Amino acid sequence: GESVGLHLPTLSVQEGDNSIINCAYSNSASDYFIWYKQESGKGPQFIIDIRSNMDKRQGQRVTVLLNKTVKHLSLQIAATQPGDSAVYFCAEKRPPGNMLTFGGGTRLMVKP
Amino acid sequence: GAGVSQSPSNKVTEKGKDVELRCDPISGHTALYWYRQSLGQGLEFLIYFQGNSAPDKSGLPSDRFSAERTGGSVSTLTIQRTQQEDSAVYLCASSPMEGGGYTFGSGTRLTVV
Repeated sequence: GESVGLHLPTLSVQEGDNSIINCAYSNSASDYFIWYKQESGKGPQFIIDIRSNMDKRQGQRVTVLLNKTVKHLSLQIAATQPGDSAVYFCAEKRPPGNMLTFGGGTRLMVKP
Repeated sequence: GAGVSQSPSNKVTEKGKDVELRCDPISGHTALYWYRQSLGQGLEFLIYFQGNSAPDKSGLPSDRFSAERTGGSVSTLTIQRTQQEDSAVYLCASSPMEGGGYTFGSGTRLTVV
């Protein structure tokens, strides 16, 4: 069935390195994508979003890339810090309506 | 309020008891969502309210689960005759009418003993 999924359930990186978290989606009609960060004991927090008419969007230390040809979404975190350790979820919005469908999550572990 | 508020933050209940979980969304947000998250797992959709439309209940796992949203604002998720498998974190989120990302609350951790 159609779904949003992740390639790697756990990613371990060295502090200071760049991190890349990947997400695959299968519904070509999805028009809006979001990355969320969830720290232990907290609700998911919005990180960055991108609409389907874009292929790249940058924030502070984070970049989201959207490849509609292969239905792939990635989150890049520059100079990863211990505070980036969390579970990261991608989500897609499929029209009509505003419902988001969430992927299964990737745990990012930052080694000092 | 400034964010989505959920209460209680933690709830321990005996198997078979009913529980009510409360969500206070961001003022002006017309959409409200409930999700369930088991330990170390992803987000499981439960129910979605949008304005005055009939709620989307397609994610509720059984008829023991119900939710209401009064006055287009506060929502209550009720679980009747709780079972141990109901133990999870219940997350509420809201979003504005024009869409965009959700803002999540910190969740209610429910433990059924």
